[in-house]
Amino acid sequence: GAGVSQSPSNKVTEKGKDVELRCDPISGHTALYWYRQRLGQGLEFLIYFQGNSAPDKSGLPSDRFSAERTGESVSTLTIQRTQQEDSAVYLCASSLSQVWANVLTFGAGSRLTVL
Amino acid sequence: AQSVTQLGSHVSVSEGALVLLRCNYSSSVPPYLFWYVQYPNQGLQLLLKYTTGATLVKGINGFEAEFKKSETSFHLTKPSAHMSDAAEYFCAVSDSTNAGKSTFGDGTTLTVKP
Repeated sequence: GAGVSQSPSNKVTEKGKDVELRCDPISGHTALYWYRQRLGQGLEFLIYFQGNSAPDKSGLPSDRFSAERTGESVSTLTIQRTQQEDSAVYLCASSLSQVWANVLTFGAGSRLTVL
Repeated sequence: AQSVTQLGSHVSVSEGALVLLRCNYSSSVPPYLFWYVQYPNQGLQLLLKYTTGATLVKGINGFEAEFKKSETSFHLTKPSAHMSDAAEYFCAVSDSTNAGKSTFGDGTTLTVKP
């Protein structure tokens, strides 16, 4: 597609429920990143996929968070047993590769509210 | 380890006035530095980046930033603000060639008054 698409744009859930957030990167972009942006704060790196390599999960805050990506296509971020502190905007970005020379293209984000 | 501090969570300027958004960083290795802009209901987009070479970097929409190693700063400037510049601006630092693993500042919201 022309840009990075994320869905849903807004999600309200109850504490303890599982949620899935979807990211559809730009076609041909091998690198894909997930970030969390809490209110009034900057982006926190969560996880990074590069082609078929093992993902870099170094930013995941707990084992309730996981993400998958099949090849160089869609990725899903799953949060199990959601907590109120998980409320944030979850951003996805993709680029041609991980090298700095390649510009990151961000999606508009998925706003998660945990009641 | 790396960190970013953006001084001032909110900056307000009049249309036509100088825009100055401050960013200080710390990094244990020579840094790569970035400024991103986020317009309401849109994704972040890259304004400019410093990697190596010339320390004055020009970006889109008339913005520029200067890397000052002695001051560990990478302040963003624009000579004359436009109403369309109203947005949130994020400074980011990376200690590797993987720009996606940058550490981001908390952001500065720029308001432009008519």
